[in-house]
Amino acid sequence: AQSVTQLGSHVSVSEGALVLLRCNYSSSVPPYLFWYVQYPNQGLQLLLKYTSAATLVKGINGFEAEFKKSETSFHLTKPSAHMSDAAEYFCAVSAKGGSEKLVFGKGMKLTVNP
Amino acid sequence: DAGITQSPRHKVTETGTPVTLRCHQTENHRYMYWYRQDPGHGLRLIHYSYGVKDTDKGEVSDGYSVSRSKTEDFLLTLESATSSQTSVYFCANGLTWDTEAFFGQGTRLTVV
Repeated sequence: AQSVTQLGSHVSVSEGALVLLRCNYSSSVPPYLFWYVQYPNQGLQLLLKYTSAATLVKGINGFEAEFKKSETSFHLTKPSAHMSDAAEYFCAVSAKGGSEKLVFGKGMKLTVNP
Repeated sequence: DAGITQSPRHKVTETGTPVTLRCHQTENHRYMYWYRQDPGHGLRLIHYSYGVKDTDKGEVSDGYSVSRSKTEDFLLTLESATSSQTSVYFCANGLTWDTEAFFGQGTRLTVV
């Protein structure tokens, strides 16, 4: 079984500051890991994914995440926040291989202050 | 959205009435999923389908049923709507080795 933990529900940063959104996972099998972003009144959009290739994954809009098996983590970072990054971010895990459902964390709402 | 459309986008219904939400896809995805999104809970799986007429329950399936009579349409029915089913509902295709999981735009359902 898989699960994801995103501690906290809101994070606030200043424009230009580092964005760090934490995600820890639990999986009984090698996982696929994902970060999705949701802008207000929209569906979910894939930011990036880890599928057992490189452990440092680069995504859209300047985001990246690093898979650390020893820490069971997949934290999302961006060096410099933009106002347009304000959204809700979801970490998700899926079992590797086959057609598998995504199991989501509870989400983290990011506010970017001018 | 990779060819996944949901209808209606918004609906208000009364307690006790049946409601059907539609998910239509044009990419011949075999696996399809219905999730609900609630504040503080993220997205939780309601039901999923692994082919025409093949469906199974997710973690929050009570009070919901699904049907899939053809590949392109996956219907979610609230048999007798309750206020606890007020939520945003998302349909998505299944993740495979060569396919991302794409989500529809969502249906915002309010049960009054």
